[in-house]
Amino acid sequence: GAGVSQSPSNKVTEKGKDVELRCDPISGHTALYWYRQSLGQGLEFLIYFQGNSAPDKSGLPSDRFSAERTGGSVSTLTIQRTQQEDSAVYLCASSLARDGTEAFFGQGTRLTVV
Amino acid sequence: AQRVTQPEKLLSVFKGAPVELKCNYSYSGSPELFWYVQYSRQRLQLLLRHISRESIKGFTADLNKGETSFHLKKPFAQEEDSAMYYCALSSGGYQKVTFGTGTKLQVIP
Repeated sequence: GAGVSQSPSNKVTEKGKDVELRCDPISGHTALYWYRQSLGQGLEFLIYFQGNSAPDKSGLPSDRFSAERTGGSVSTLTIQRTQQEDSAVYLCASSLARDGTEAFFGQGTRLTVV
Repeated sequence: AQRVTQPEKLLSVFKGAPVELKCNYSYSGSPELFWYVQYSRQRLQLLLRHISRESIKGFTADLNKGETSFHLKKPFAQEEDSAMYYCALSSGGYQKVTFGTGTKLQVIP
């Protein structure tokens, strides 16, 4: 596809379970971002990848959150031992990471922890 | 470190009234500034970028380096402008894009 794709679109999980969220960026985009958007709230930065490395992971809220990117393409955000406060929409974006380039967003994964 | 501040979480205006969504930034170099918009049930998407100096859907934004601001303006608000608006800054090269926390614009009919 031409755009950023995220899966699953919706995920309901029980408190304490682990979840994996996937992001397929636009082909050729070296920069990849994960954000969290809680109900009625703005964007909360989680982590930034440049290629396979993460020069900025300052937004990860706790050590239960981790992310990786392989082959400079697909990224996975993992949340271990989920808590109810983890419920949110998780957004992924990618860009060419050159001056003035646009970030393209996925449709998001809505995570509900029950 | 680069930082983007959007001081208003919610801005309510009447249809036909002027709109100004505030954005201030901190960055020591020459940044690229953007406004992104998220309409209900749609993806976040680029609205405009300062380098293009364009008007999109009646919105304009001027980069004021002296005041380090990039406010988004529209002379007459329309109901369809109701959305979440995010200001963003890119320092170029391989530095990340930094987003503000967003302002929800509510246009009252």
